[in-house]
Amino acid sequence: QQQVKQSPQSLIVQKGGISIINCAYENTAFDYFPWYQQFPGKGPALLIAIRPDVSEKKEGRFTISFNKSAKQFSLHIMDSQPGDSATYFCAASNSGNTPLVFGKGTRLSVIA
Amino acid sequence: DAGITQSPRHKVTETGTPVTLRCHQTENHRYMYWYRQDPGHGLRLIHYSYGVKDTDKGEVSDGYSVSRSKTEDFLLTLESATSSQTSVYFCAISESRLGDTQYFGPGTRLTVL
Repeated sequence: QQQVKQSPQSLIVQKGGISIINCAYENTAFDYFPWYQQFPGKGPALLIAIRPDVSEKKEGRFTISFNKSAKQFSLHIMDSQPGDSATYFCAASNSGNTPLVFGKGTRLSVIA
Repeated sequence: DAGITQSPRHKVTETGTPVTLRCHQTENHRYMYWYRQDPGHGLRLIHYSYGVKDTDKGEVSDGYSVSRSKTEDFLLTLESATSSQTSVYFCAISESRLGDTQYFGPGTRLTVL
C-alpha cells in the first residue's frame, strides 16, 4: 500500500524558533508533494507544494526541502509564531494517476 | 473554503440508521473526494469521483457508498451506521487532474451512538 510516513506526531517550539516536520515516501512514481495546514474546526488548506524537479521551495517563512534520492521531504517554518499552531499534513501523489496520500499529521504548538 | 459546502455540519445518529452527507461545489471542478479524519490516522480516502456517475474506492471504502448525479454534488451514504464510523468527514475537490491540488470543505462531524 502506498504510504507517506510523517514525523513527529507532535512538536512544541518556542516563538521565533524553527519548526521542522519530516515525511518519507515509498513510491518513486510520486511527483507532487503538498503540505496542508489545518486549524481546529476547519478543513485542511494548501500551504505550499513542490515537484521533484527542484530541491527546495520557499514561500515567506515556509520552506519545503526535497531529497529525491532519499525519498524524503520536509517542511521548515522559520521564525515560528503562535499563529502557526495547527496540524500539518504532508501528502504525495502521482498526479494524474493516483489520489493524494496523506501522512498522519503533526500537531504543532508554538509557545511564547 | 474554495466554494465547497458540506451538509449537515453536525449530525448525531443511532447505530443501524442510514446517513447521507452532502458535498456541494460551485467551482465546476472535475474531481471530488470524501475523506474521514480520525485522531492518529490523519486523512483517509473513502471514495472519489472523476466525473458524473464515475466513482472509485479509496483506502477505507467498506460500509460507505457514493453517488454523483451532477458535477456539483457528491453524496456519501452510510447504509447502516456503526459506532466505528464516528468521525469528521471532509469533502475535497480538484480541478483537472487526479492527485493534483485539493481544496477542502469545512467538514461534517458525525457521531454514531
